[in-house]
Amino acid sequence: DTEVTQTPKHLVMGMTNKKSLKCEQHMGHRAMYWYKQKAKKPPELMFVYSYEKLSINESVPSRFSPECPNSSLLNLHLHALQPEDSALYLCASSQVGWGGTGANVLTFGAGSRLTVL
Amino acid sequence: GQSLEQPSEVTAVEGAIVQINCTYQTSGFYGLSWYQQHDGGAPTFLSYNALDGLEETGRFSSFLSRSDSYGYLLLQELQMKDSASYFCAVPPYNAGNNRKLIWGLGTSLAVNP
Repeated sequence: DTEVTQTPKHLVMGMTNKKSLKCEQHMGHRAMYWYKQKAKKPPELMFVYSYEKLSINESVPSRFSPECPNSSLLNLHLHALQPEDSALYLCASSQVGWGGTGANVLTFGAGSRLTVL
Repeated sequence: GQSLEQPSEVTAVEGAIVQINCTYQTSGFYGLSWYQQHDGGAPTFLSYNALDGLEETGRFSSFLSRSDSYGYLLLQELQMKDSASYFCAVPPYNAGNNRKLIWGLGTSLAVNP
């Protein structure tokens, strides 16, 4: 299995809602990532989990709350978002080490397109 | 700091060859990756060069010159489906536990009939 599965594909939420984005991979990767991407821009790193522990938080506002329940699952909990948070949210996974097949090789999910009204 | 520069847009016709360049300024360097992203889709890994030279994978090739801090992605026999954004990316220097790839701003390739 060489896929990263994200749900939902599309999400529309109001600024007072609470929702979650989910991500699952079964490639045995022990690094998992949340990226945010705006149109015509490169992906912007939000969080990195290594061995199920949060290793990078790129100063993301607390209205975004990541969770890694186990080595295959990654969630992003959303609460009190702003319209400017509307974007494509990408989950990715990789091996942990660097090198030819390592952390520079990210496998992305198809993304969750979030619209905040 | 580290930065990557690539052209914002490239246009070519079907069947042609196109080269997308990426120059980098880094305090250290491990290797250069390339990703493809179609509109509305997710980035897909294409290639990684750690050593100088050309790596070929079907119609796509990637080249690296460490001495020139430069690499490129070469797309041959262009097809309409190659219309996409292409990003170069590098790992951070002294990566250690830092898994934050540094991304270029992307090159939008338009392939015309």
